Amino acid sequence: GAVVSQHPSRVICKSGTSVKIECRSLDFQATTMFWYRQFPKQSLMLMATSNEGSKATYEQGVEKDKFLINHASLTLSTLTVTSAHPEDSSFYICSARRTGNMNTEAFFGQGTRLTVV
Amino acid sequence: GESVGLHLPTLSVQEGDNSIINCAYSNSASDYFIWYKQESGKGPQFIIDIRSNMDKRQGQRVTVLLNKTVKHLSLQIAATQPGDSAVYFCAGGENEKLTFGTGTRLTIIP
Repeated sequence: GAVVSQHPSRVICKSGTSVKIECRSLDFQATTMFWYRQFPKQSLMLMATSNEGSKATYEQGVEKDKFLINHASLTLSTLTVTSAHPEDSSFYICSARRTGNMNTEAFFGQGTRLTVV
Repeated sequence: GESVGLHLPTLSVQEGDNSIINCAYSNSASDYFIWYKQESGKGPQFIIDIRSNMDKRQGQRVTVLLNKTVKHLSLQIAATQPGDSAVYFCAGGENEKLTFGTGTRLTIIP
């Protein structure tokens, strides 16, 4: 099956620093990728939709300047958490669908556990 | 917008028995639904999906039922195994945007 790879799987950073998380579709092209965050024992909450070659679409309440998204190619989207604070500690998950296929399964990365100290 | 919820936060099933996990959604325009399984510390894993033009779909040991009249879907897992223990999420929506339910933790009792 299709594979979405997320890197790093775990990261610990100091408050005030920035962290970049990569999401790659390994064997298919993805015009659109999605970024979610998940707090312990809670569901996935969509943060933003990453669009290749254009600006990301952010969900209400998600700060664009804090969570920078870049989708520079059909196989890579990055999420940068800027000026991280302890409350940004969470599980960040990306997903992608094959380009040209509406309503097909979304493939998820293995997630990135961010801890801000 | 869409809100998707599950009826029970936890479910315990004897190994070998069948389990049913339920989910309700609010947006009648939702046309695509997916069930995911998530093990601790990992990303969601696709189980099965269904489109709104269907009311039933079967996979290996799993069946998804969709009742559009009452905006309800369920996941049936046959002959549960220890490896089925996980949190199960339903997700639904239209176009490419999915809203996730809160999750049901399924525990298989040996």
